[in-house]
Amino acid sequence: DGGITQSPKYLFRKEGQNVTLSCEQNLNHDAMYWYRQDPGQGLRLIYYSQIVNDFQKGDIAEGYSVSREKKESFPLTVTSAQKNPTAFYLCASSIAYGELFFGEGSRLTVL
Amino acid sequence: AQRVTQPEKLLSVFKGAPVELKCNYSYSGSPELFWYVQYSRQRLQLLLRHISRESIKGFTADLNKGETSFHLKKPFAQEEDSAMYYCALSSNAGGTSYGKLTFGQGTILTVHP
Repeated sequence: DGGITQSPKYLFRKEGQNVTLSCEQNLNHDAMYWYRQDPGQGLRLIYYSQIVNDFQKGDIAEGYSVSREKKESFPLTVTSAQKNPTAFYLCASSIAYGELFFGEGSRLTVL
Repeated sequence: AQRVTQPEKLLSVFKGAPVELKCNYSYSGSPELFWYVQYSRQRLQLLLRHISRESIKGFTADLNKGETSFHLKKPFAQEEDSAMYYCALSSNAGGTSYGKLTFGQGTILTVHP
């Protein structure tokens, strides 16, 4: 089944802990993205990567980190420095200009 | 800075009625505009893009550069159109922006029987 796979779907974190959200794609897309979705705010770009071993900050990168060691994988780490991490996180990939393919999302809750 | 505004958080219509979801943008360059849709229990997916000038599921959207708008329209709404709709803008910075989209806040459309 081709597409974007995000895991876990639900994640709980204690304050002060780092957590890593996984994103894998088998679409052979060059570019991958992480968006954060909050009620009433739409989707905001955290990080994106257009090629392996390279990534760029988006609009709200503070408190997050990523890596792109493989074309298929783009994990997102939510660090303890992120002041308001409770949110729904969406990973996406693209090959054609402007068309994003999204995963099902991961919901992170800080306890 | 680029910005996308969807002024309506919620929009309700009856089946068969026309529907228009509003989208306004601010961007100094030449924008590329898109509409994405998320149906219940499904992934967010592309509905249409202005550059292709196509009609998808009866929806159309015209880019109005004078009014900086990209409203989504359908003459006769169906119950299956109920979903969350996002307008999105991509800056064409030398063709390197790929899918670096700026999204609006989203509009939840409910079509009543």
